[in-house]
Amino acid sequence: GQNIDQPTEMTATEGAIVQINCTYQTSGFNGLFWYQQHAGEAPTFLSYNVLDGLEEKGRFSSFLSRSKGYSYLLLKELQMKDSASYLCAVRGHSGAGSYQLTFGKGTKLSVIP
Amino acid sequence: GAGVSQSPRYKVTKRGQDVALRCDPISGHVSLYWYRQALGQGPEFLTYFNYEAQQDKSGLPNDRFSAERPEGSISTLTIQRTEQRDSAMYRCASSPSGTSNQPQHFGDGTRLSIL
Repeated sequence: GQNIDQPTEMTATEGAIVQINCTYQTSGFNGLFWYQQHAGEAPTFLSYNVLDGLEEKGRFSSFLSRSKGYSYLLLKELQMKDSASYLCAVRGHSGAGSYQLTFGKGTKLSVIP
Repeated sequence: GAGVSQSPRYKVTKRGQDVALRCDPISGHVSLYWYRQALGQGPEFLTYFNYEAQQDKSGLPNDRFSAERPEGSISTLTIQRTEQRDSAMYRCASSPSGTSNQPQHFGDGTRLSIL
């Protein structure tokens, strides 16, 4: 099975940088995804990591360490519209269920002026 | 269509009734997933289709829940003899194929309320 942990809530200031951490324990690993979900809306894809290291995409970066079972999402130059929940999700490995995502409970980020 | 389409957006029904939730994936997407999301939680996997084949149904809570995708496109999630604990947001997602690096794209969901 999978166990995903991430902080419940975070607050950061407009223009600042924030790092949202995610740790996982899995019976198999085949990639880690980050999704953004605004209140009342569908989750939208942000980033994907399967190899160790940093993936950068504009203001958003995601890091993965497979040996530590750890990932983070880095948001730079925060904007008010970044206020949302950020979901860490792990994809399993081989066999039935290998393509399902197991999600954490999400981190609710509040960006304040 | 442009995105994953789900209907109805809202469904209110009495306990004991059967409900059918529909998902129309992004055109050409081979893989289709059903999730259930409680308020303040991440989506929880229910079942997965590759084309018309149901590859994994390990997340379905009990035998009152079933899903089908007969022509490899539109899918229906059916809940029989609904109970209050079935109240949740039901989300459908699709991806071009099941390969690991392709993200799943989610629909706006069906909010199910059982009275």
